[in-house]
Amino acid sequence: AQRVTQPEKLLSVFKGAPVELKCNYSYSGSPELFWYVQYSRQRLQLLLRHISRESIKGFTADLNKGETSFHLKKPFAQEEDSAMYYCALRTSGTYKYIFGTGTRLKVLA
Amino acid sequence: DTGVSQDPRHKITKRGQNVTFRCDPISEHNRLYWYRQTLGQGPEFLTYFQNEAQLEKSRLLSDRFSAERPKGSFSTLEIQRTEQGDSAMYLCASSFFGQGNYGYTFGSGTRLTVV
Repeated sequence: AQRVTQPEKLLSVFKGAPVELKCNYSYSGSPELFWYVQYSRQRLQLLLRHISRESIKGFTADLNKGETSFHLKKPFAQEEDSAMYYCALRTSGTYKYIFGTGTRLKVLA
Repeated sequence: DTGVSQDPRHKITKRGQNVTFRCDPISEHNRLYWYRQTLGQGPEFLTYFQNEAQLEKSRLLSDRFSAERPKGSFSTLEIQRTEQGDSAMYLCASSFFGQGNYGYTFGSGTRLTVV
């Protein structure tokens, strides 16, 4: 069955430190991966998509098909990065997403 | 505001009552999705529409749940004979099919509490 795993419920880092939020997926086909972010009291919003290979707010994520991973990285964390982050998988032939359970990122001053 | 709107924001209901939620997607978006999120979990897929056609339903959607999108614009999600296990955040999202997959735009959700 298709599945997305985010092993950390909470990740705390100091401001200026590097951040890596882990995401692993289980799917034998060709996946599309996304990261969504939810800031305090705001709605869930798209952060980035693997197909666009973009950097948003300093975050990047590379799809590693060999390791079935799509980890989210940022070299220098900012306090405003504190939020809930969800990794999501879209499989072929459907437009529904499978979400992970999320990782709460806390950036400490 | 041209985002996705959901109404009501909060709903408290007694067990056994029926509830209906409404979602107004972004007007140019032809796909509309319903998800459910419980505490500590990510959103779980319930169903989605392309225009007025319901293309996929999750097995999570029991017979007590029904969703409609009669004119391909707004959508309603009805839960009949609510149970305490239905307490959750119900999220609506929309997207435009035809320009590649640019991801969803989510609404703020409707929080349902069944007492």
